[in-house]
Amino acid sequence: DIQLTQSPSSVSASVGDRVTITCRASQGIGSYLAWYQQKAGKAPKLLIHSTSTLEGGVPSRFSGSGSGTDFSLTISRLQPEDYATYYCQHAYGLPISFGQGTRLEMK
Amino acid sequence: QVLLVESGGGLVRPGGSLRLSCAASGFTFSTYGMHWVRQAPGKGLEWVAFIRSAGSGEYYADSVKGRFTISRDNSKNTLYLQMNSLRVEDTAVYYCAKDFAPSSFTGNWLDPWGQGTPVTVSS
Repeated sequence: DIQLTQSPSSVSASVGDRVTITCRASQGIGSYLAWYQQKAGKAPKLLIHSTSTLEGGVPSRFSGSGSGTDFSLTISRLQPEDYATYYCQHAYGLPISFGQGTRLEMK
Repeated sequence: QVLLVESGGGLVRPGGSLRLSCAASGFTFSTYGMHWVRQAPGKGLEWVAFIRSAGSGEYYADSVKGRFTISRDNSKNTLYLQMNSLRVEDTAVYYCAKDFAPSSFTGNWLDPWGQGTPVTVSS
């Protein structure tokens, strides 16, 4: 089974900052990676799929990159509504798995 | 718009059973695979099960294999999760989610998700 390891587990940042979260897969997964945002008490929301394709309505300050085993999610200019927990997920066959999550907190 | 509404969660004793339902609307349910994902209190997301669009092909996480059964009724636009032999560690919010791509064989991205239904296993 494919394991996904996110880093950092938590990060503190200020509005306007650039934030990057990484996700490393235990084996190559091509571009079969997605990112989700989850706010407290809410269901996760798909932000990016296929490594770098933004879902409709997702602000352009979000971007994804990578391939193979190393991936990243970048928020170019942090906004107040971006404070949340972010998860990566692979779709390189079953079982699907998620990273352990990165909590983005206000500095 | 696409809407997924889970129900059936609650408090159950260890060893007990529970059946979750997920009512779907706003899309052609029979065309898409469906997932169950759970989230234990204060923890991350754990994929639980996937069922193909026509219902022929179910896949499970090792942690629930042999105890949980995913099924669907395409005539009722409803997804189910039958949970037997429940353990304390099954305590979580259970989300149903639509697979991103139609007729996927092995699952894809999950979009959208329902609001979740809480399951508590405790004596």
